[in-house]
Amino acid sequence: AQSVAQPEDQVNVAEGNPLTVKCTYSVSGNPYLFWYVQYPNRGLQFLLKYITGDNLVKGSYGFEAEFNKSQTSFHLKKPSALVSDSALYFCAVRDPSLTRGYNKLIFGAGTRLAVHP
Amino acid sequence: DAMVIQNPRYQVTQFGKPVTLSCSQTLNHNVMYWYQQKSSQAPKLLFHYYDKDFNNEADTPDNFQSRRPNTSFCFLDIRSPGLGDAAMYLCATSRDRAEQYFGPGTRLTVT
Repeated sequence: AQSVAQPEDQVNVAEGNPLTVKCTYSVSGNPYLFWYVQYPNRGLQFLLKYITGDNLVKGSYGFEAEFNKSQTSFHLKKPSALVSDSALYFCAVRDPSLTRGYNKLIFGAGTRLAVHP
Repeated sequence: DAMVIQNPRYQVTQFGKPVTLSCSQTLNHNVMYWYQQKSSQAPKLLFHYYDKDFNNEADTPDNFQSRRPNTSFCFLDIRSPGLGDAAMYLCATSRDRAEQYFGPGTRLTVT
């Protein structure tokens, strides 16, 4: 079965330090991977995606993610965390069983990032 | 800016009283989705429209319905809200299988 795992419920990091939010996936075929961020009482905001090509993907707000096929991971990273990065982060993979039509996302459970001043 | 808009942002309804949530988009995307999200959990897909074609997820209760009168607008109707339907409802759009763009959500309270 297709699935996405975010092994950490919460990540705590000091402002200015690098941050990593972990994501691993299990899908058949080539994965199409996404990261979304959700601030309190807001919808999800698209951060970045991996479709093909370079394993290091750059996205919005200084975030990047590294695709590692051998480890089936797609960790989200940022070199220097800001307090304003504190939010809920979701990793997702497009359901590969659908070959046309819409983008059905399989979400991870989410990781709460807390950046402390 | 092109965007996904949801109205209202907060909705209070009574147990059993029908309620409609609204979504509009200026992205001209052909796919529109409705999700239910409870207490910081991952969003749960209820259904989507691919152009005019409605597609229900297998586990979406019959209590939830949707209408898409044109490309820009999509509505979520809850026929008889129960206490368990209190949640954040998210609308999203995409161009076919590309990434989804989400609206700010409507928080529904059932009293």
